[in-house]
Amino acid sequence: DGGITQSPKYLFRKEGQNVTLSCEQNLNHDAMYWYRQDPGQGLRLIYYSHIVNDFQKGDIAEGYSVSREKKESFPLTVTSAQKNPTAFYLCASSMRIDQPQHFGDGTRLSIL
Amino acid sequence: GQNIDQPTEMTATEGAIVQINCTYQTSGFNGLFWYQQHAGEAPTFLSYNVLDGLEEKGRFSSFLSRSKGYSYLLLKELQMKDSASYLCAVTDTDKLIFGTGTRLQVFP
Repeated sequence: DGGITQSPKYLFRKEGQNVTLSCEQNLNHDAMYWYRQDPGQGLRLIYYSHIVNDFQKGDIAEGYSVSREKKESFPLTVTSAQKNPTAFYLCASSMRIDQPQHFGDGTRLSIL
Repeated sequence: GQNIDQPTEMTATEGAIVQINCTYQTSGFNGLFWYQQHAGEAPTFLSYNVLDGLEEKGRFSSFLSRSKGYSYLLLKELQMKDSASYLCAVTDTDKLIFGTGTRLQVFP
């Protein structure tokens, strides 16, 4: 079955620590996206990528970094520069912008 | 600039009809998506409108007016399982911009 997989489901970060959230898809989608969702809020775009080795900043990219070395993978690193990282992180993929985005199950990140 | 407005919360009774509105302003609009999100879960795709008019899909329908920057999602024969957040999202050139979502509570 094709799909999009995020891991881990829950993640805890210590002060000053970088953590990496994994996102893998086997849907053969060109585009991948990272969103942050805070309680009771909509989705805010962190980074997105339409092709391998290329990505663009979204609305809230500060304190985050990404890479797109393979079509299937789009990991997100939450750096120590992100002072308020506690949120629900969602990864999505789509064939094109006018096609529905498929979402992973999300990663909940908390501060220790 | 970009702006998407949806009501924050709505309530309705099982078996009733509810309409969730969405107004938007973006410079690179191509189409509008509606997603459903149950608490603690990922969003799931409901509908996509590109042209003006009504798209019907079972109990759910979605309407778009490009000239007015307006859309609505119509849910008929409401069921308890329809209690969820409904997210309006518009294309902005090469990405999606999401509204803050409308939390719908369905009561028996």
